[in-house]
Amino acid sequence: QVQLQESGPGLVKPSETLSLTCAVSGGSISYYYWNWVRQPPGKGLEWIGYIYYNGDTYYNPSLKSRVTISLDTFKSQFSLRLRSVTAADTAVYHCSRSGRAADAFDLWGQGTMVTVSS
Amino acid sequence: DIQMTQSPSSLSASVGDRVTITCRASQDISNYLAWYQQKPGKAPKLLIYAASTLQSGVPSRFSGSGSGTDFTLTISSLQPDDFASYYCQKYNSAPWTFGQGTKVEMK
Repeated sequence: QVQLQESGPGLVKPSETLSLTCAVSGGSISYYYWNWVRQPPGKGLEWIGYIYYNGDTYYNPSLKSRVTISLDTFKSQFSLRLRSVTAADTAVYHCSRSGRAADAFDLWGQGTMVTVSS
Repeated sequence: DIQMTQSPSSLSASVGDRVTITCRASQDISNYLAWYQQKPGKAPKLLIYAASTLQSGVPSRFSGSGSGTDFTLTISSLQPDDFASYYCQKYNSAPWTFGQGTKVEMK
């Protein structure tokens, strides 16, 4: 059974870079799209971007200037970097999977809370 | 960007009730619409994709309908495990966007 698990610092200072990793276990990272989605406390879901197993990426235009998603196929994990964070970036960050670029997300990680505060 | 508007934002219902949640897209998205269930502190769970296709393992009391701009999620007979928040998501073109959510609470 494929599982996703997010990890990373729970506290980031304003103007610094948020870095998270999603470990994929129990299955292959190939032939899937790997997404990051965030959810501010008490609010809805916002898609951040995806990376395909071949390294192709696509980011939400609202975050594009600050986001990088990368992939490590050997470690079977993918990562999110969000630069110049502010309090508005405080959220639970989920990683997820889709079978095609235009597809629903059939598998999600539990999520990790990241607070931006000095 | 295409906006997704869900209604209602919350509702109160009893076990056994029929529950309907609607999602409206600001532009035609064909059937590129998914529904998710989320419980507090948990990951969203895919219920329905392609507007009306039930994800494997999801109880048949859940159903979806619609095409174009108007979509509906129906729970035919609400069960105790169904009290949660529900989100629609469009995925015809990036950026993928979600509705603001509907919280189903116990009456």
